[in-house]
Amino acid sequence: EVQLVQSGAQVKKPGESLKISCEVSGYTFTSYWIGWVRQMPGKGLEWMGLIYPRDSDTTYSPSFQGQVTISADKSISTAFLQWSSLKASDTATYYCASVGGPGNWFDLWGQGTLVTVSS
Amino acid sequence: QSALTQPASVSGSPGQSITISCTGTISDVGGYNYVSWYQQHPGKAPKLIIYDVSDRPSGVSNRFSGSKSGNTASLTISGLQAEDEADYYCSSYSSSSTLMVFGGGTKLTVL
Repeated sequence: EVQLVQSGAQVKKPGESLKISCEVSGYTFTSYWIGWVRQMPGKGLEWMGLIYPRDSDTTYSPSFQGQVTISADKSISTAFLQWSSLKASDTATYYCASVGGPGNWFDLWGQGTLVTVSS
Repeated sequence: QSALTQPASVSGSPGQSITISCTGTISDVGGYNYVSWYQQHPGKAPKLIIYDVSDRPSGVSNRFSGSKSGNTASLTISGLQAEDEADYYCSSYSSSSTLMVFGGGTKLTVL
């Protein structure tokens, strides 16, 4: 069974760093792009960026460029999303998802990771 | 403000059909046949229901259909059921630096 399993909910303070994960199983991790999507409380979906795990080629939405870092570790079939200094406005649920075709549509999604940033 | 424009809400009675629109520009919806639609129930991850404008993934009901005309894509749900009550998002490939864009989402209420 193909699965994207994300790490658990996190509560952090402003200024702290954080790295959340997305472990892929059931297909060849290096064959498909993986994306990250933000959903702020009560709001819509926002595409953050994509990574191709085979060579770690990464592209970011201009809205998130410089704000987060997307990476991948082929040896453990896991993609990551990290922040060096969290802000309260980073409070959201973050989803990873696999890209299903050239149109960049997401065919499989992780269950989401809730990140709460509060002092 | 989202790059693609969707109505905030639509509603329909069981058995009826509804259509949700998704309006973009020639740089996204109008320029490529790469529109996708997602269904999201409260507290759940989104689920792909339409890709490449009108294709359905395996296992998705044929009550869901997609189309496109010019810069506007549409999702039609026929034979509405209570379980269809959810938020629906469109997305498109974009030739801009954004690469892909989402709509703001539409809340479907089954009366």
